[in-house]
Amino acid sequence: NAGVTQTPKFQVLKTGQSMTLQCAQDMNHNSMYWYRQDPGMGLRLIYYSASEGTTDKGEVPNGYNVSRLNKREFSLRLESAAPSQTSVYFCASREGSGAGNWPQHFGDGTRLSIL
Amino acid sequence: SQQGEEDPQALSIQEGENATMNCSYKTSINNLQWYRQNSGRGLVHLILIRSNEREKHSGRLRVTLDTSKKSSSLLITASRAADTASYFCAANNAGGTSYGKLTFGQGTILTVHP
Repeated sequence: NAGVTQTPKFQVLKTGQSMTLQCAQDMNHNSMYWYRQDPGMGLRLIYYSASEGTTDKGEVPNGYNVSRLNKREFSLRLESAAPSQTSVYFCASREGSGAGNWPQHFGDGTRLSIL
Repeated sequence: SQQGEEDPQALSIQEGENATMNCSYKTSINNLQWYRQNSGRGLVHLILIRSNEREKHSGRLRVTLDTSKKSSSLLITASRAADTASYFCAANNAGGTSYGKLTFGQGTILTVHP
């Protein structure tokens, strides 16, 4: 079982370039999440999707957009990359869509550097 | 802002010793979760404790939750070199619109020396 798959694993961009980070899960989970992790810090929520067809902002949404393409896939787009967006990005999924007690399952991350 | 605060930030022990990590949070929760992150990898779920539970065990892991103090602790008994990793607590805030959103602590870096 693959679980949560993120592509690419590494990427270097120049300031102002755009790119899309891809995430797919094969566990038939309803909820999906995008986080960023900066050195010495925990994860901060960028956007989430409680169910297919819905998306909502998290703690640090500025500079990002998301698309819940279908139940399996949730992509994160940087329209005009900035050096402050250099980070490791994690996608996660969760079985339920409401306020229940389910853990999240994480991918291995995309390491993004913006020069 | 980060809701969770973890203590200590780093912990270095010998194999066979116990490791205890503490976490505090600020708002009411549905549950509190602990995750492990090995270097260069994603987070792996270890244990989830519900707001109405006080203690939970899973193998060598023991988690306690004190909602009156808004705090939790993770105990790893008889540690092994393979337990070397970063450990994060994550609070699932209460409320109908929480949608499972987690607020993470800054993590504890555990090093277990053989």
